[in-house]
Amino acid sequence: DAKTTQPNSMESNEEEPVHLPCNHSTISGTDYIHWYRQLPSQGPEYVIHGLTSNVNNRMASLAIAEDRKSSTLILHRATLRDAAVYYCILRPVTYSGGGADGLTFGKGTHLIIQP
Amino acid sequence: DGGITQSPKYLFRKEGQNVTLSCEQNLNHDAMYWYRQDPGQGLRLIYYSQIVNDFQKGDIAEGYSVSREKKESFPLTVTSAQKNPTAFYLCASSIESRRRQNQPQHFGDGTRLSIL
Repeated sequence: DAKTTQPNSMESNEEEPVHLPCNHSTISGTDYIHWYRQLPSQGPEYVIHGLTSNVNNRMASLAIAEDRKSSTLILHRATLRDAAVYYCILRPVTYSGGGADGLTFGKGTHLIIQP
Repeated sequence: DGGITQSPKYLFRKEGQNVTLSCEQNLNHDAMYWYRQDPGQGLRLIYYSQIVNDFQKGDIAEGYSVSREKKESFPLTVTSAQKNPTAFYLCASSIESRRRQNQPQHFGDGTRLSIL
């Protein structure tokens, strides 16, 4: 399986944009890039996902490099509630005879927001 | 509100005892999943189910069992064969299917299991 590399931790100030990087140099053509975040003592929360084009939703933006070997999750204006562990996950298209298998989580990036 | 309910929030197990963790969803999702999380680590897949009466082992299924008799429910039993059961257990569901791939997973708030 293709792996992702993320910084262990990052720090940002409240009300400033945050750019969370993810490297995935061995990504295959059918791998989607998913981002989840997890607040302390809670289950993960879906943030965004994409394949090739940049994606935007109400929570964040996902910028995908042209060669797809890296991506960046962008929080446009961080709040204290955005302090969490952020996971970048590759998920292949699975239906070549298989079922809906799970997500493979690494250790993620611990995002610290300073007031 | 639609969502996933895990119970109990905290659970204590005695040595040699089986315990069952509950997971219920009212999202009408076909796919359901169980994950385990150890301190400071990411989640690891225990079992998943694509549809009622069918389930598959994940990466760390040894010492665990599941059933999927109803679409809404996917209980996980931690058996006495699981030698290190202390962890945070998370259940998830998704509308993912053969026709709708790469859909988001929705997670419950977890059950924290400890050994007495």
